[in-house]
Amino acid sequence: ETGVTQTPRHLVMGMTNKKSLKCEQHLGHNAMYWYKQSAKKPLELMFVYNFKEQTENNSVPSRFSPECPNSSHLFLHLHTLQPEDSALYLCASSQVTGSSDTGELFFGEGSRLTVL
Amino acid sequence: EDQVTQSPEALRLQEGESSSLNCSYTVSGLRGLFWYRQDPGKGPEFLFTLYSAGEEKEKERLKATLTKKESFLHITAPKPEDSATYLCALRDSGGSNYKLTFGKGTLLTVNP
Repeated sequence: ETGVTQTPRHLVMGMTNKKSLKCEQHLGHNAMYWYKQSAKKPLELMFVYNFKEQTENNSVPSRFSPECPNSSHLFLHLHTLQPEDSALYLCASSQVTGSSDTGELFFGEGSRLTVL
Repeated sequence: EDQVTQSPEALRLQEGESSSLNCSYTVSGLRGLFWYRQDPGKGPEFLFTLYSAGEEKEKERLKATLTKKESFLHITAPKPEDSATYLCALRDSGGSNYKLTFGKGTLLTVNP
């Protein structure tokens, strides 16, 4: 497999369920990201990990819990979500080296989440 | 606060009808202006990065240009397969290495 792979592609859950989204990158990058994409809104950065360490948490509610066991895998654990959390959740990776990196993100195809 | 505004929100073209998409921005210091293409149900796909005013990059029918206040994505003689949402994003030289600020995108439809 190549690139960034996300599973599941589609997920429907009730407000009391617990589920997880999975992301795997095969690009050898050191940084992984979760973005939320809602209709008519710009992509919103949720979390960033660099070499398994969380470097950014953009005021995301605690019902979203990220986990990064290694530099190739990223999870987003979901618990007690609200209907307004329904969106496309995108994982991305990049190689961040400081002043010389390109900043280019490589995205997965996303997990479409519907909260009933 | 960094801002990215894309216009128009939607654009419908006939095949072969050239046009441009606009991305205007405000940032304290630009460390990259990015263009992505997103097909329905898929993640964004990287197209270009521009770093300084006057820079231009081309790929097939697409050409991206940059000034100090805006970027244009010019589409020459588009084909139906160019239909997609085009996203613009920027990275602030004074901000996080990891954060890109995205616009809402322009939905381009090219009719045969």
